[in-house]
Formats: sequence, structure tokens, C-alpha cells
Amino acid sequence: SQQGEEDPQALSIQEGENATMNCSYKTSINNLQWYRQNSGRGLVHLILIRSNEREKHSGRLRVTLDTSKKSSSLLITASRAADTASYFCATKGNQGGKLIFGQGTELSVKP
Amino acid sequence: SAVISQKPSRDICQRGTSLTIQCQVDSQVTMMFWYRQQPGQSLTLIATANQGSEATYESGFVIDKFPISRPNLTFSTLTVSNMSPEDSSIYLCSVGSHRGSEGYTFGSGTRLTVV
Repeated sequence: SQQGEEDPQALSIQEGENATMNCSYKTSINNLQWYRQNSGRGLVHLILIRSNEREKHSGRLRVTLDTSKKSSSLLITASRAADTASYFCATKGNQGGKLIFGQGTELSVKP
Repeated sequence: SAVISQKPSRDICQRGTSLTIQCQVDSQVTMMFWYRQQPGQSLTLIATANQGSEATYESGFVIDKFPISRPNLTFSTLTVSNMSPEDSSIYLCSVGSHRGSEGYTFGSGTRLTVV
């Protein structure tokens, strides 16, 4: 089952621009995580934000979490062609360890 | 974070046959997770594999179709049984982190094509 929706489904930008992806979820969470996947390969963990946090930064990544709206956003600043990939949010509930994934955003950064 | 070795990386199989996918972790973990990613789609959780007990399957997935073994804390297998073209997907295993601040680790995936 999918936890929620991500938008946009696809995003095409020029190198140097910022990319913003949004994620919504349905149930209460312990934390929310963002992952990157290149061309159908394994997933790489980018950043984790706990339910009691509102914003977190890691290098060019900024993630926000609004638990009242059950939504999160991932901002990639000063994008590079190498950022081209699919990005997924995933939520971890308060019971059990499983992650439930959103639909994903396919990001294309043109040089 | 843990390192996972997943095999095979890809396979092309005849319908009606079965394929077993293996995941080896370099450290002991309580839970391992198996996901399916259909073409162009997101990841869907198949089941959670616990050592010493039967796997817990998500809605829409059954043990007869996706039997899972978890003989110890570092290894698990997922079998895709009696395959049909609809089973063509990427299958991934995953483990969590002992540290609550870290994300999960995923195997590199098995790209399965059923013909």
C-alpha cells in the first residue's frame, strides 16, 4: 500500500535552479525519510526528519515537515545534472519498523 | 550503516517457474523488509521477515506466492513462485538502522523479467 501522494510526478528544471518536491501522507508517523533512486537501481537515503522536527538541512537539501497537514517538502538548491533521479518520501509509523513509500517524483535537471 | 549484498541482480525467467532472491547483511538485524517496484512505480512492501517466526505479509501478498525464509539474523530469501509476466518488477530487500537518526539501507535490487 502507498502512504500518500507526491507532487509533482515529474519535474524538469535547468541546472542551477532549485527543485521542490512535496509529499503527503495519511497516518501518524514516527519519522519521514527521503530517498533517491537512479535509473531503477537501489535506493539511497538522503535525509530523515522526526515527527517533532519542523525543518532539517543537509548540504544542498532542506526538508520541512508539517504534521498538522501531514505533508513534507524536499528542496534541492542549486541543482546539478547529477541530481537527475527519482525521489521518494517514506514514512515510518510509531509501531513496527516498516517504511511506506509515496509515489515519487522524477526529477530531470538539464545542463 | 549496514551493507547488503543482493543476488541475483537480474534474471529472465519462463512463466510458471520460480526464482529465489537472496539478501546477505554484514551485521545482525532484527527485521528485514522485502519490496516490489513495478515498472515506473513506487515501492510496495511485500512482507517483513523476522528471524525465528513467519514473515508478516501486507495486504495483497500471500505466502504461497512469495515464500520468505529468515534462517538467521544476517540472511533472508524471497521466492517468487509460479511466475507470470505480471511479476516482472524490481525486488528489493531492506534493513533498518539501529540508530533512530539514520535511514534504511537497501539492496541493489533484482530486476526480474518473466517471459
